[in-house]
Amino acid sequence: SQQGEEDPQALSIQEGENATMNCSYKTSINNLQWYRQNSGRGLVHLILIRSNEREKHSGRLRVTLDTSKKSSSLLITASRAADTASYFCATDAQDGGATNKLIFGTGTLLAVQP
Amino acid sequence: KAGVTQTPRYLIKTRGQQVTLSCSPISGHRSVSWYQQTPGQGLQFLFEYFSETQRNKGNFPGRFSGRQFSNSRSEMNVSTLELGDSALYLCASSWGTSHRTDTQYFGPGTRLTVL
Repeated sequence: SQQGEEDPQALSIQEGENATMNCSYKTSINNLQWYRQNSGRGLVHLILIRSNEREKHSGRLRVTLDTSKKSSSLLITASRAADTASYFCATDAQDGGATNKLIFGTGTLLAVQP
Repeated sequence: KAGVTQTPRYLIKTRGQQVTLSCSPISGHRSVSWYQQTPGQGLQFLFEYFSETQRNKGNFPGRFSGRQFSNSRSEMNVSTLELGDSALYLCASSWGTSHRTDTQYFGPGTRLTVL
């Protein structure tokens, strides 16, 4: 089963607008990551935020994390047509040991219209 | 540095056959994880290897197996293929020293179609 649920499932915006995607998860985490996937291809890591961080920026990306609500959001500012992709949040699994297992959310499909 | 490579990129098999997929991690990375991506189930963790040892396994039947070699390259095998095994299989590598901060780097995937 999915750890993360993302909202919305699909989002269509115009170039230049901002896009916000939300992710909710179920269990305690050490960190949360966001990935981008262009159609049918591999995933590209965007940003990692640790459980003791509340906000992180990387270029046009801004990620927030609210561990009390078990939720995170990804904001893409001044979107471009090249940002069209699926975006996934991923959390590390809490199984008591060292692991690099990621549990992915359901993804948000972002379409940026030129 | 070269990225994660996966071979083959595309594969067509028939039910009942077996398949082996290969993954070469980024040089220096010791951890390799495998994921299956389907439209219905999304991205699901298959297994993780570190220093030739399976460290974790997802909820998949025993037909799915894998291994890691001393050079960190990894293979996964699916025996007795079923139609539902059609998916994009993704491999990811990381340093594997800390699950708190590790970033996973994904390969382009192998698209498996079972007829």
